[in-house]
Amino acid sequence: DQQVKQNSPSLSVQEGRISILNCDYTNSMFDYFLWYKKYPAEGPTFLISISSIKDKNEDGRFTVFLNKSAKHLSLHIVPSQPGDSAVYFCAASGMQTGANSKLTFGKGITLSVRP
Amino acid sequence: NAGVTQTPKFQVLKTGQSMTLQCAQDMNHNSMYWYRQDPGMGLRLIYYSASEGTTDKGEVPNGYNVSRLNKREFSLRLESAAPSQTSVYFCASSEYWGMNTEAFFGQGTRLTVV
Repeated sequence: DQQVKQNSPSLSVQEGRISILNCDYTNSMFDYFLWYKKYPAEGPTFLISISSIKDKNEDGRFTVFLNKSAKHLSLHIVPSQPGDSAVYFCAASGMQTGANSKLTFGKGITLSVRP
Repeated sequence: NAGVTQTPKFQVLKTGQSMTLQCAQDMNHNSMYWYRQDPGMGLRLIYYSASEGTTDKGEVPNGYNVSRLNKREFSLRLESAAPSQTSVYFCASSEYWGMNTEAFFGQGTRLTVV
């Protein structure tokens, strides 16, 4: 049972436009959400996070939106740049100890930004 | 500041051989993790160590063992490698378990079992 879902495997956008990457989750115990970026032959690197007490967090060109009622979050990249081309993983965890405390990852979305 | 260092970066094993993947972090983190990444499967947790002296199974622990050697080092052992264990393995660490903080990843070990 996949608790973090990234249903679109890939996304292609034009340089300068907005990229919107979507993520859905099923576990209502999750209260912290993260996005990681991964280039080929490298490890994932942390990009941005959001706590469930917020509905938006912004860091430069990257903004994450959280809709708790819909169990949905999205990552917006504006403007998109060719260097943003990578695999983006959505991840979630819960504050409680035990299984929910670990980071659960989605399958990833491959973003391609066309020059 | 090296962060999380994994060795080796590449390895080819024959079915039935054993090997140990090494991981060390220099951030004084309490928690460490081993993940595997397979095409279309994302990152799946194999084992984790919430703190020095403890280890627990993740989603896909079968065929693996781990050792938290000290606070810095967390190794993953394949006792009898199988082709199904062909994957890219990532070690990660975080400051604490069970708190809202990000994990830092190593560069990965690409393992092929033939």
